[in-house]
This record gives sequence, structure tokens and C-alpha cells, in this order.
Amino acid sequence: GAVVSQHPSWVICKSGTSVKIECRSLDFQATTMFWYRQFPKQSLMLMATSNEGSKATYEQGVEKDKFLINHASLTLSTLTVTSAHPEDSSFYICSARDRGHASTDTQYFGPGTRLTVL
Amino acid sequence: QKEVEQNSGPLSVPEGAIASLNCTYSDRGSQSFFWYRQYSGKSPELIMSIYSNGDKEDGRFTAQLNKASQYVSLLIRDSQPSDSATYLCAVTSSVLASGGSYIPTFGRGTSLIVHP
Repeated sequence: GAVVSQHPSWVICKSGTSVKIECRSLDFQATTMFWYRQFPKQSLMLMATSNEGSKATYEQGVEKDKFLINHASLTLSTLTVTSAHPEDSSFYICSARDRGHASTDTQYFGPGTRLTVL
Repeated sequence: QKEVEQNSGPLSVPEGAIASLNCTYSDRGSQSFFWYRQYSGKSPELIMSIYSNGDKEDGRFTAQLNKASQYVSLLIRDSQPSDSATYLCAVTSSVLASGGSYIPTFGRGTSLIVHP
């Protein structure tokens, strides 16, 4: 099956610093990657959708200047949390859609990155 | 506003029983339907996808889709304690979003507990 990796798997940072999270599709090319955030015992919240080579589309209420997304290639998307604050502490999960199966739109999820801001 | 509704549960079933998880959706134009399993502290894992009316079986899992009634269900036969997790239903419309992608809508998930 399609494999998506994320790095790092967990990170602890000080308030005010920036954190970059990488999402890679390992064995397929991803036309679209999605970034989600999930707080404990809550549902997935879609933050943004990114297509390779174009600007990300952010969901309502998500600050694009705070959550910078770069989808530089068909296998790599990055999310940078700028000037992180304790309320940004969450589980960030990316997913990727397989370009090779255009007739379907299955998403494959990465393992997630747990961010703790002190 | 496209909505996907799931009973949050928890749904508790004994080991060996059939667990039945249900999901309804509001967008009649939806074309793709998925079930994901999410263990506590982990990311979602795809279990099944279904695109046409009827049943689709994969091992102990059966997905059922009824587009006329706008519901999709997941049956887990011979439930095991290791099946205890939150099950997410996801639905994708056939309409492209403004960014040029098909955006999935996730339900809030149903918590399943399989007790020995």
C-alpha cells in the first residue's frame, strides 16, 4: 500500500520559535496533500489543502501567515508553524492523494507529528 | 455545508460479535466513501473504500453503501479486542473545491470497544 511519512514524529519547542514538519509520499506521487490538526479526543480538523506547485488553500479560520505550507514536489509538502504558542500544541497529521489513481481519491495518512509548545 | 454524521458511541460489543457502524451524509452528490480506523494517539488508517451501491467485503470487514438513503455502514465480523478504536467515516463530493481538489469531509468518529 501507499506509504506516507512525517518528520519529526514529535517535537517540543519554546514559545515564539518556529517548527517545520515534513510530509513525504514514499512510493507514489501525490497530486494533493492535506494538513490536519487534531486535539485530544476531538475529530480531525482540515487546515489546508496543497497542490504541487501552487499555493495552498486554507480552511476558514486557519491563519495562512502562521501555518506556512510549501508543496515543492510531488512527494514532499512542509508545514511550518511560525511563532508557535502553547495553544498550537496539537497532533498534526498530513495525508496524500495518489496521483497514479486519478479515478479514485483515496487519502493515505502519515503517522502524525505531536507538537508541544512550552 | 457538507455534513457527515456518526454516532460518537462508545459502541460496546463482546468479542466474536458483529459490530455495526453507521454514517450518514448530507451531500447527495458524494461519490467516494471511506472508512478509517484510528487508534488512540495514532493517525487514521484506511480500512475500506466504496464507490457504488451495495456491499463490499474485505476479510472481516464489509462496507455497505446506499446512495438513495445517503448512508454508509461498516460491519466488523468476529470482532476482536484489537478492533477497539475510533472509526472515521469520510465522504468526498464529486464537485471540485476552489483550490481544484476534491475535499473529503470526515465524521467525528465512532468509538468501538470490543470486550473479552
